[in-house]
Amino acid sequence: EVQLLESGGGLVQPGGSLRLSCEASGFSFSDSAMSWVRQAPGKGLEWVSGISGSGASTYYADSVKGRFTISRDNSKNTVYLQMNSLRAEDTAVFYCAKEGINRIFGSDYWGQGTLVTVSS
Amino acid sequence: EIVLTQSPATLSLSPGERATLSCRASQSVSSFLAWYQQKPGQAPRLLIYDASNRATGIPGRFSGSGFGTDFTLTISSLEPEDVAVYYCQHRNNWPRVTFGPGTKVDIK
Repeated sequence: EVQLLESGGGLVQPGGSLRLSCEASGFSFSDSAMSWVRQAPGKGLEWVSGISGSGASTYYADSVKGRFTISRDNSKNTVYLQMNSLRAEDTAVFYCAKEGINRIFGSDYWGQGTLVTVSS
Repeated sequence: EIVLTQSPATLSLSPGERATLSCRASQSVSSFLAWYQQKPGQAPRLLIYDASNRATGIPGRFSGSGFGTDFTLTISSLEPEDVAVYYCQHRNNWPRVTFGPGTKVDIK
């Protein structure tokens, strides 16, 4: 059974930092690209960042480029999102998602999400 | 940048009725379009990939169609458990993806 378990969310002040983790199980982690998707309260889904299976390639939405860093440790089956210079508009539930093997397939498994609140 | 629009914003139907949800892309995305269901308080779930293929475990009442710029998600006979927000997602620039704003489906 595929499982994705996010952690690391919480309350942080504007300008602060937070690192999210997503521990995966039930599939070949190193063969799978992974994504982070966020959802602000009462709003829709916004793709934030993605990383290839090897970790060699990373991708960011313009809204977080230069502030967020995605990485992975395939020995620990875990993907991370380091978030710096946080702003109030970064307040959201952050989901990690397992990607299908290419653009044809969807984001086929999702974690339950972790809430990040940026407020003073 | 390809923009997705979804209509209607809200759809209110009786159980057993047919639900037709639309997703339109500002330029062609070929068949690289997926649909997701998000029930209240839950994570999104993949319903349809590559415009018309049901994901594993998805009931047969859900179907997708379309190519290029116009796509449709159809729920052939609405069940109470189908109350959710439905999002389309284009994957033309994968792994960068974009979501539509969503259609909320309610039961009358």
